[in-house]
This record gives sequence, C-alpha cells and structure tokens, in this order.
Amino acid sequence: GAVVSQHPSRVICKSGTSVKIECRSLDFQATTMFWYRQFPKQSLMLMATSNEGSKATYEQGVEKDKFLINHASLTLSTLTVTSAHPEDSSFYICSAVLAGVNNEQFFGPGTRLTVL
Amino acid sequence: AQRVTQPEKLLSVFKGAPVELKCNYSYSGSPELFWYVQYSRQRLQLLLRHISRESIKGFTADLNKGETSFHLKKPFAQEEDSAMYYCALRVAAGGTSYGKLTFGQGTILTVHP
Repeated sequence: GAVVSQHPSRVICKSGTSVKIECRSLDFQATTMFWYRQFPKQSLMLMATSNEGSKATYEQGVEKDKFLINHASLTLSTLTVTSAHPEDSSFYICSAVLAGVNNEQFFGPGTRLTVL
Repeated sequence: AQRVTQPEKLLSVFKGAPVELKCNYSYSGSPELFWYVQYSRQRLQLLLRHISRESIKGFTADLNKGETSFHLKKPFAQEEDSAMYYCALRVAAGGTSYGKLTFGQGTILTVHP
C-alpha cells in the first residue's frame, strides 16, 4: 500500500528557533501533499496545500511566512515553522495524494512539536 | 464554504450493541463523503467512502442528500472498534477546492466489554 512517512516524529525546540518537518511518500509520487494541524482530541485543521514545483496554497488565517512549505520533489514536502513560539506547539500531520481513480489521501504518522 | 459537523464528541456502547456515529454536512454542490478512523497511537486511515457503497469492518454509511447526512453505522460493535472517527468532505472534481478534505470534529467511540 501507499506509505507516507514524517520526520522527525517528535521535536522539542526553544522559542525563537526554526524547525523543519519532512513528509515523504515512500512508494509513490505525489504531486499534491497537504499539511494539517491537530490539537489534542480535536479535528484536523488544514493549513496548506503543497504542490510540487509551485508555491503552496495556504488556508485563511495561516501565515505563509510563519509556516514555510517547500515541495521540491514528487516524494518530499517540508514544513518549516519559523521563529517558533509555545503556541505553535501542536501535532502536525501531512498527507500525500495518490493520483488515480479515487485520488486518495494517505496520511503520515504525524510530528509532535513542543516549543519551550 | 463547506462544513462538516459531528455532534457527538464521545460515544460509548457495549460490545454487541449497535452503534451510529452521526455526521452532517453543508455544501452547495455535490460532495464526496468519507469516514476516517484513527486507532490509538496510529495514523489516520480511510475507513470508507460514500462512492464505493461498501462495508468495511462491518461499518456502512449512506449518503442522505435530503438530510445532508452521512452517518456511520455498525449493527454489532466490537471492542476493537474503539477509536477516533472523523467524517470528512471533499469537493467533487471540477470544484475549485478539489482534493481538499474538510474534517468534522471527530467522535471518540469506546466499546466496553
């Protein structure tokens, strides 16, 4: 089946530093990937759509300069949280679209970010 | 804009009892509806989609356009069904937001022995 990985699985950083999270489609190419944010026992909130070779599309209220997305290849998208603050602490999940009849999204295991 | 509502944050049933997780949506066009499940310490995974009209792990869901609902049902719940369930909507092909999923708030299902 289609597998999506994320790295790191968890990261702790100091306030003011930047953190990069990678999302990889391991056995398929993904032109489109999505980045979500999930709060404990709550819904997934879509942050942005990552398209290979073009700029990401951000959802309303998501700061593009704060959350930098780079989709440099068909198997890798990165999310960089710049100048992180404690309120950025959250669970970040990516998904990759397997193009085909159903265009199904496959989800990564998530990255737990804690900003001290 | 589309919206998905799951009115129940928590749902508890006993093993063998029927279970129904409610999902209502609002969207002016023809959406695609999905149910996703997230077991403890596992990633989110697709459970079923309305287009395929299939039964997965004993679960079924019927899209009711008149009531704008897509409730998830299982006649006899099992302990291993305990998980977080999300209802999600995707704008159909041709829509300007095609591909993006809008999730409901999720329902935590607990099946007691």
